[in-house]
Amino acid sequence: QKEVEQNSGPLSVPEGAIASLNCTYSDRGSQSFFWYRQYSGKSPELIMFIYSNGDKEDGRFTAQLNKASQYVSLLIRDSQPSDSATYLCAVSFSGGYQKVTFGTGTKLQVIP
Amino acid sequence: DAGVIQSPRHEVTEMGQEVTLRCKPISGHDYLFWYRQTMMRGLELLIYFNNNVPIDDSGMPEDRFSAKMPNASFSTLKIQPSEPRDSAVYFCASSLQGEQYFGPGTRLTVT
Repeated sequence: QKEVEQNSGPLSVPEGAIASLNCTYSDRGSQSFFWYRQYSGKSPELIMFIYSNGDKEDGRFTAQLNKASQYVSLLIRDSQPSDSATYLCAVSFSGGYQKVTFGTGTKLQVIP
Repeated sequence: DAGVIQSPRHEVTEMGQEVTLRCKPISGHDYLFWYRQTMMRGLELLIYFNNNVPIDDSGMPEDRFSAKMPNASFSTLKIQPSEPRDSAVYFCASSLQGEQYFGPGTRLTVT
């Protein structure tokens, strides 16, 4: 069974620090990788996607992909209390470009 | 763009009743997804469509669940009869290039 694994947390970091969120996946042929942010009681919101090995930066967010290790991470620099949310990793497995499998999410708490 | 629109936002019904959830995807998106989210099971894909055609319904839990997409701007998810274990938040999402955009969800409570 194709799986996406995340530590449920909570991950607590002080305001201004770097938050590092990690995700592993089971299918070596996976093609596309997404990070969603979900505030309590709200819908998932796409914040980053990455398709190639390496780093991709967008503002305070950096997605890192290592296909050999089947590992994708999200770094949030200068963490703010407004970043406190659950972060969901989603992976499209080989043969299914549009269909993604979501991890259970990591809850991030940024302490002022 | 208005984003993905779902209705109703909240639905409370009694066991055995029929429930219909509605979704309007983002204009121009050719994929539409229905998800269910619970604390226990997280976010689960129920079914998805491409150009109004169902592609994969392997996540639909039982025959009590059915989904249709009669045109590019409208989809429904129906539960008949509903059961208390169907209580969850149901999300609709649409996409064009792989990145999915979610609607606000429908919170369903079956008593």
